[in-house]
Amino acid sequence: LAKTTQPISMDSYEGQEVNITCSHNNIATNDYITWYQQFPSQGPRFIIQGYKTKVTNEVASLFIPADRKSSTLSLPRVSLSDTAVYYCLVGEGTGRRALTFGSGTRLQVQP
Amino acid sequence: GAGVSQSPSNKVTEKGKDVELRCDPISGHTALYWYRQSLGQGLEFLIYFQGNSAPDKSGLPSDRFSAERTGGSVSTLTIQRTQQEDSAVYLCASSLMFGGPQETQYFGPGTRLLVL
Repeated sequence: LAKTTQPISMDSYEGQEVNITCSHNNIATNDYITWYQQFPSQGPRFIIQGYKTKVTNEVASLFIPADRKSSTLSLPRVSLSDTAVYYCLVGEGTGRRALTFGSGTRLQVQP
Repeated sequence: GAGVSQSPSNKVTEKGKDVELRCDPISGHTALYWYRQSLGQGLEFLIYFQGNSAPDKSGLPSDRFSAERTGGSVSTLTIQRTQQEDSAVYLCASSLMFGGPQETQYFGPGTRLLVL
């Protein structure tokens, strides 16, 4: 199974940009990189997905270098409501190797 | 449209009793997943279904855990002879298909199980 490594926690202030990096050295050719967000007492929800280079949507950006051994989730101008746990998954979207969530990164946004 | 629903939302049981947790996936989703999340921890994969078939049961923690899915829709996770270490939030997710490279999972709100 594809293994990912993320920081356990991060702190930020409202209005700042937050970058969370995930390492995935054994990523396979067919693997996509998917990020989920989980608020307390809720199930995770999809944020963004990418294969290479840069992907941007209304919530975040995802930067993937050419070797694809890492990826960075970028949250622009965070607010208190962005306080959550962020999970990086590597695999075939919803294939077996993409079902390992790990411990995620706990982001705390302060006023 | 309706999302993934789970019932009950909360369940308190006594050690040694059996419990059944239910998941209603999004209509039309052929793949269904069960996870367990202990307090303050990440998600632990338990089992997935492609249609009514569960090709990989290796994530189930013990033989006290079983799951079934009927009619390609509703799934039930059963825990027999519950133990205190079974206390956790049990999350269900579904996706349009299994293994789709650009697919994503849609999660339900979870069932919070407390074994006394």
